[in-house]
Amino acid sequence: AQSVTQLDSHVSVSEGTPVLLRCNYSSSYSPSLFWYVQHPNKGLQLLLKYTSAATLVKGINGFEAEFKKSETSFHLTKPSAHMSDAAEYFCVVKRNYGQNFVFGPGTRLSVLP
Amino acid sequence: DAMVIQNPRYQVTQFGKPVTLSCSQTLNHNVMYWYQQKSSQAPKLLFHYYDKDFNNEADTPDNFQSRRPNTSFCFLDIRSPGLGDAAMYLCATGAFLKDTEAFFGQGTRLTVV
Repeated sequence: AQSVTQLDSHVSVSEGTPVLLRCNYSSSYSPSLFWYVQHPNKGLQLLLKYTSAATLVKGINGFEAEFKKSETSFHLTKPSAHMSDAAEYFCVVKRNYGQNFVFGPGTRLSVLP
Repeated sequence: DAMVIQNPRYQVTQFGKPVTLSCSQTLNHNVMYWYQQKSSQAPKLLFHYYDKDFNNEADTPDNFQSRRPNTSFCFLDIRSPGLGDAAMYLCATGAFLKDTEAFFGQGTRLTVV
């Protein structure tokens, strides 16, 4: 069975400082991994995805994530936070050739001026 | 642009009065999902269609039903909405392929009065 853990329910950073949102996964198979962002009362937007190619994945809006199989992690980073990054972030795992996506509980990112 | 469209964005219904939410897609994806998302929680999968095959989650209440008359459209029917069914309902589409992400609509915010 697959599962996703997001270690922090809430992260608060100052504008211009680095962002780190942590995600660990459990999967019996080689997974596909995704980070989605959700702004209030909006749908989910894909930030980036890992699909067994490069372990360092670049996404939109300056976000990156690194897949580390030995640590079963897929942490999301950004060098410099912007006020518009304040949102809910979900780490998601998909079983290869499967139909279902498993969501982590989410991390709320606050960006302070 | 190809996309997933949900209507309406906001729906108010009376306690016990049947309500239908709709979703359409122009991506020609063979999988369509319905998620329920309550405040400050991760989306919870209710069911999904793979082509015409309906796949219900084990813990989805019987009060929730779905129809997919063709590839482009999918409906969520709530037969007798209760106060606990107030939530954001998210429709998503995806391809049954390795490495492919889910594409989400903007969601329908359901209020039960």
